[in-house]
Amino acid sequence: DSGVTQTPKHLITATGQRVTLRCSPRSGDLSVYWYQQSLDQGLQFLIQYYNGEERAKGNILERFSAQQFPDLHSELNLSSLELGDSALYFCASSVGVSPYEQYFGPGTRLTVT
Amino acid sequence: AQSVTQLGSHVSVSEGALVLLRCNYSSSVPPYLFWYVQYPNQGLQLLLKYTTGATLVKGINGFEAEFKKSETSFHLTKPSAHMSDAAEYFCAVSDHIFGNEKLTFGTGTRLTIIP
Repeated sequence: DSGVTQTPKHLITATGQRVTLRCSPRSGDLSVYWYQQSLDQGLQFLIQYYNGEERAKGNILERFSAQQFPDLHSELNLSSLELGDSALYFCASSVGVSPYEQYFGPGTRLTVT
Repeated sequence: AQSVTQLGSHVSVSEGALVLLRCNYSSSVPPYLFWYVQYPNQGLQLLLKYTTGATLVKGINGFEAEFKKSETSFHLTKPSAHMSDAAEYFCAVSDHIFGNEKLTFGTGTRLTIIP
C-alpha cells in the first residue's frame, strides 16, 4: 500500500459524459501527478500540481482539467468523453519535486462506451 | 527531450535464472532514473532509483541496476528469478529541471517466469 488513494476504482460511462477522478496523496506529500495508461499510448504524464499550484503540463487534452485543493487532494476532470479516453488513470505523489520518488495510487479504470 | 527505450516487450526466464531487463535513456542533463514494477490490476511500485553518487543501485526484492553514463543505460538485474517476480517492469527518467520533474516512462517489459 503506497498511501495514495484514488476513487473510484472503476468507472463506466457513455461518450459525451463528464467524470471526476479523485486522488488523496500520501500524508505530507505536496506534489501530485496524474498519468494515463493505455494500450496504445503507454504511460503518459498529464499534469502536475505542487502545493496547490499547477507546475507542469504534459499530453493533457483541452477537454481534461485538474486542480489541487488546500487539503492537497486532487481531482482530474474529464469531459466530452470519447471512446479513446478509456484507460487507467494513475495519481502519484511525492514529498516535493525531483529527485523525490513518486508513489503511485492503485488507479481508476475508466471505460467509455 | 528525455526518452526511454526498453528493449524487449516480453522476457521469459526460468525460475532461479538471471533476470536482465534492458533500459536505455536519452536526456539533455544528467538524469534521474527509476525502475517501477506493476503487478496485475495494481499501481506502480518503485523498485529502485538513481539520482547521484554510487552507480550501482540496490532496490527491493533483490533487484539492482547500474547506471552507465557512457552507454546511456540503466539495466535491471536480479541474480535468481522467483515466480513472484512475474509482472510488468517500467524504466523511467526524469530531467529534474524546474517545472519538468515528470517521469517519462518506457513502454514496459513483461517478465514471465518459467517454473
